[in-house]
Amino acid sequence: EAQVTQNPRYLITVTGKKLTVTCSQNMNHEYMSWYRQDPGLGLRQIYYSMNVEVTDKGDVPEGYKVSRKEKRNFPLILESPSPNQTSLYFCASSLGRGPTEAFFGQGTRLTVV
Amino acid sequence: GQNIDQPTEMTATEGAIVQINCTYQTSGFNGLFWYQQHAGEAPTFLSYNVLDGLEEKGRFSSFLSRSKGYSYLLLKELQMKDSASYLCAAFFGNEKLTFGTGTRLTIIP
Repeated sequence: EAQVTQNPRYLITVTGKKLTVTCSQNMNHEYMSWYRQDPGLGLRQIYYSMNVEVTDKGDVPEGYKVSRKEKRNFPLILESPSPNQTSLYFCASSLGRGPTEAFFGQGTRLTVV
Repeated sequence: GQNIDQPTEMTATEGAIVQINCTYQTSGFNGLFWYQQHAGEAPTFLSYNVLDGLEEKGRFSSFLSRSKGYSYLLLKELQMKDSASYLCAAFFGNEKLTFGTGTRLTIIP
Protein backbone atom coordinates (compact mmCIF):
# COMPACT_ATOMS: atom_id res chain seq x y z
CA GLU A 1 0.00 0.00 0.00
CA ALA A 2 1.33 3.44 -1.00
CA GLN A 3 1.84 5.49 2.12
CA VAL A 4 3.78 8.03 4.11
CA THR A 5 4.61 6.82 7.61
CA GLN A 6 5.50 9.10 10.50
CA ASN A 7 6.66 8.10 13.94
CA PRO A 8 5.84 8.68 16.67
CA ARG A 9 2.17 9.68 16.47
CA TYR A 10 2.24 11.35 19.86
CA LEU A 11 5.18 12.69 21.84
CA ILE A 12 5.48 14.65 25.06
CA THR A 13 8.97 15.91 25.84
CA VAL A 14 10.77 18.48 27.94
CA THR A 15 12.40 21.69 26.83
CA GLY A 16 15.89 21.18 25.44
CA LYS A 17 15.79 17.41 24.96
CA LYS A 18 16.73 16.59 21.39
CA LEU A 19 14.18 14.59 19.43
CA THR A 20 13.69 13.19 15.94
CA VAL A 21 10.43 12.55 14.13
CA THR A 22 10.86 10.01 11.36
CA CYS A 23 9.13 10.07 7.99
CA SER A 24 9.29 7.38 5.35
CA GLN A 25 7.52 6.98 1.99
CA ASN A 26 7.30 3.93 -0.25
CA MET A 27 6.24 5.63 -3.48
CA ASN A 28 9.70 6.54 -4.79
CA HIS A 29 8.74 10.22 -4.57
CA GLU A 30 11.43 12.82 -5.12
CA TYR A 31 9.80 15.69 -3.21
CA MET A 32 9.29 15.54 0.55
CA SER A 33 8.36 18.24 3.03
CA TRP A 34 7.50 18.94 6.64
CA TYR A 35 4.64 21.11 7.84
CA ARG A 36 3.41 22.24 11.19
CA GLN A 37 -0.25 22.98 11.78
CA ASP A 38 -1.43 25.38 14.44
CA PRO A 39 -4.96 26.70 15.14
CA GLY A 40 -5.72 29.76 13.06
CA LEU A 41 -2.44 29.52 11.14
CA GLY A 42 -3.03 26.52 8.91
CA LEU A 43 -0.28 24.35 7.49
CA ARG A 44 3.08 26.08 7.33
CA GLN A 45 6.05 24.56 5.57
CA ILE A 46 9.15 23.99 7.70
CA TYR A 47 11.61 22.39 5.25
CA TYR A 48 11.39 20.63 1.95
CA SER A 49 13.63 18.42 -0.16
CA MET A 50 13.65 18.14 -3.92
CA ASN A 51 15.83 15.01 -3.91
CA VAL A 52 18.54 13.15 -1.99
CA GLU A 53 21.02 15.52 -0.32
CA VAL A 54 18.97 18.56 -1.45
CA THR A 55 17.05 20.42 1.26
CA ASP A 56 15.69 23.96 1.51
CA LYS A 57 14.04 26.14 4.12
CA GLY A 58 10.32 26.65 4.03
CA ASP A 59 8.43 29.44 5.79
CA VAL A 60 9.18 28.53 9.42
CA PRO A 61 12.56 26.70 9.58
CA GLU A 62 13.93 28.19 12.81
CA GLY A 63 14.60 25.55 15.47
CA TYR A 64 14.41 22.62 13.05
CA LYS A 65 16.83 20.55 11.01
CA VAL A 66 16.26 17.92 8.35
CA SER A 67 18.32 15.47 6.35
CA ARG A 68 17.74 13.51 3.17
CA LYS A 69 20.36 10.78 2.96
CA GLU A 70 18.01 8.33 1.25
CA LYS A 71 15.12 8.97 -1.09
CA ARG A 72 12.52 7.32 1.13
CA ASN A 73 13.40 8.97 4.48
CA PHE A 74 13.15 12.57 5.59
CA PRO A 75 13.55 12.93 9.38
CA LEU A 76 12.73 16.14 11.24
CA ILE A 77 15.15 17.00 14.05
CA LEU A 78 14.53 19.36 16.94
CA GLU A 79 17.94 19.92 18.54
CA SER A 80 16.62 21.87 21.51
CA PRO A 81 12.81 21.85 21.56
CA SER A 82 10.95 24.76 23.11
CA PRO A 83 7.29 25.10 24.13
CA ASN A 84 6.51 27.19 21.03
CA GLN A 85 7.24 24.10 18.95
CA THR A 86 4.24 22.36 20.46
CA SER A 87 2.20 21.61 17.38
CA LEU A 88 0.80 19.01 15.00
CA TYR A 89 3.41 18.01 12.44
CA PHE A 90 2.83 16.46 9.03
CA CYS A 91 5.27 14.95 6.60
CA ALA A 92 4.27 14.90 2.95
CA SER A 93 5.68 13.52 -0.29
CA SER A 94 4.91 14.06 -3.95
CA LEU A 95 6.16 12.74 -7.23
CA GLY A 96 8.61 15.48 -8.13
CA ARG A 97 9.24 18.98 -9.33
CA GLY A 98 6.17 21.03 -10.08
CA PRO A 99 2.59 20.87 -8.89
CA THR A 100 1.70 17.26 -8.13
CA GLU A 101 -0.56 15.75 -5.49
CA ALA A 102 0.95 15.62 -2.01
CA PHE A 103 0.45 12.53 0.16
CA PHE A 104 0.50 13.18 3.89
CA GLY A 105 1.58 11.08 6.82
CA GLN A 106 -0.77 10.52 9.77
CA GLY A 107 0.66 13.39 11.76
CA THR A 108 2.73 13.69 14.94
CA ARG A 109 1.27 15.60 17.85
CA LEU A 110 4.21 17.05 19.78
CA THR A 111 3.96 18.67 23.18
CA VAL A 112 7.01 20.40 24.66
CA VAL A 113 6.74 21.22 28.37
CA GLY B 1 3.89 37.40 -0.52
CA GLN B 2 1.66 34.53 -1.56
CA ASN B 3 -1.33 35.17 0.67
CA ILE B 4 -4.14 32.71 0.33
CA ASP B 5 -7.48 33.73 1.77
CA GLN B 6 -10.50 31.58 2.50
CA PRO B 7 -13.34 31.91 5.01
CA THR B 8 -12.64 30.53 8.47
CA GLU B 9 -15.95 28.79 9.05
CA MET B 10 -19.10 27.88 7.14
CA THR B 11 -22.27 26.01 7.99
CA ALA B 12 -24.56 24.20 5.56
CA THR B 13 -27.52 21.86 5.68
CA GLU B 14 -27.47 18.17 4.85
CA GLY B 15 -28.54 17.62 1.23
CA ALA B 16 -27.79 21.19 0.20
CA ILE B 17 -24.97 22.76 -1.85
CA VAL B 18 -22.11 24.83 -0.47
CA GLN B 19 -19.40 26.87 -2.20
CA ILE B 20 -16.07 27.57 -0.47
CA ASN B 21 -14.10 30.43 -2.00
CA CYS B 22 -10.36 30.94 -2.12
CA THR B 23 -8.32 33.88 -3.39
CA TYR B 24 -4.56 33.99 -3.91
CA GLN B 25 -1.87 36.30 -5.22
CA THR B 26 -1.26 35.54 -8.89
CA SER B 27 2.50 36.19 -9.14
CA GLY B 28 4.29 32.90 -9.89
CA PHE B 29 1.08 30.89 -9.65
CA ASN B 30 1.37 27.39 -11.08
CA GLY B 31 -1.68 25.45 -9.92
CA LEU B 32 -4.29 25.13 -7.18
CA PHE B 33 -5.18 22.21 -4.93
CA TRP B 34 -8.05 21.51 -2.58
CA TYR B 35 -7.61 19.13 0.32
CA GLN B 36 -10.07 17.78 2.87
CA GLN B 37 -8.99 17.34 6.47
CA HIS B 38 -11.07 15.72 9.19
CA ALA B 39 -10.22 16.76 12.73
CA GLY B 40 -6.94 15.23 13.92
CA GLU B 41 -6.32 13.47 10.62
CA ALA B 42 -4.06 14.01 7.64
CA PRO B 43 -5.19 16.15 4.70
CA THR B 44 -6.38 14.15 1.71
CA PHE B 45 -6.36 15.31 -1.91
CA LEU B 46 -9.63 16.42 -3.47
CA SER B 47 -8.85 18.29 -6.67
CA TYR B 48 -6.28 20.10 -8.78
CA ASN B 49 -6.80 23.00 -11.22
CA VAL B 50 -4.17 24.61 -13.39
CA LEU B 51 -6.30 25.89 -16.30
CA ASP B 52 -9.34 28.14 -16.09
CA GLY B 53 -12.63 26.37 -15.72
CA LEU B 54 -14.51 23.78 -13.77
CA GLU B 55 -13.25 20.31 -12.83
CA GLU B 56 -16.00 17.94 -11.71
CA LYS B 57 -15.42 14.84 -9.64
CA GLY B 58 -18.60 13.25 -8.34
CA ARG B 59 -20.25 15.45 -5.70
CA PHE B 60 -17.24 17.77 -5.63
CA SER B 61 -16.27 20.36 -8.25
CA SER B 62 -13.49 22.93 -8.29
CA PHE B 63 -13.28 26.10 -10.33
CA LEU B 64 -10.31 28.30 -11.21
CA SER B 65 -9.91 31.77 -12.68
CA ARG B 66 -6.21 32.48 -13.10
CA SER B 67 -6.67 36.11 -14.13
CA LYS B 68 -8.73 36.84 -11.01
CA GLY B 69 -6.66 34.77 -8.59
CA TYR B 70 -9.81 32.98 -7.53
CA SER B 71 -10.97 29.43 -6.98
CA TYR B 72 -13.93 27.76 -5.38
CA LEU B 73 -14.81 24.28 -4.20
CA LEU B 74 -18.43 23.27 -4.72
CA LEU B 75 -19.89 20.44 -2.67
CA LYS B 76 -23.27 19.06 -3.69
CA GLU B 77 -25.75 16.76 -1.92
CA LEU B 78 -24.02 17.41 1.36
CA GLN B 79 -23.65 14.54 3.79
CA MET B 80 -22.84 14.64 7.49
CA LYS B 81 -19.44 13.07 6.75
CA ASP B 82 -18.55 16.18 4.72
CA SER B 83 -18.09 18.05 8.00
CA ALA B 84 -14.36 18.77 7.85
CA SER B 85 -11.85 21.49 7.10
CA TYR B 86 -11.21 22.30 3.45
CA LEU B 87 -7.76 23.56 2.62
CA CYS B 88 -6.98 25.67 -0.41
CA ALA B 89 -3.33 25.39 -1.48
CA ALA B 90 -1.58 27.20 -4.32
CA PHE B 91 1.60 26.11 -6.04
CA PHE B 92 4.08 28.84 -6.85
CA GLY B 93 6.96 28.19 -9.27
CA ASN B 94 8.13 24.58 -9.21
CA GLU B 95 8.88 24.17 -5.54
CA LYS B 96 6.49 25.85 -3.18
CA LEU B 97 3.05 24.72 -2.09
CA THR B 98 1.40 27.28 0.19
CA PHE B 99 -1.73 26.51 2.18
CA GLY B 100 -4.53 28.77 3.28
CA THR B 101 -5.67 28.56 6.89
CA GLY B 102 -8.58 26.30 5.95
CA THR B 103 -12.35 26.57 6.07
CA ARG B 104 -14.09 24.54 8.75
CA LEU B 105 -17.40 23.31 7.31
CA THR B 106 -20.13 22.12 9.62
CA ILE B 107 -23.07 20.18 8.18
CA ILE B 108 -26.28 20.35 10.15
CA PRO B 109 -29.24 17.95 9.77
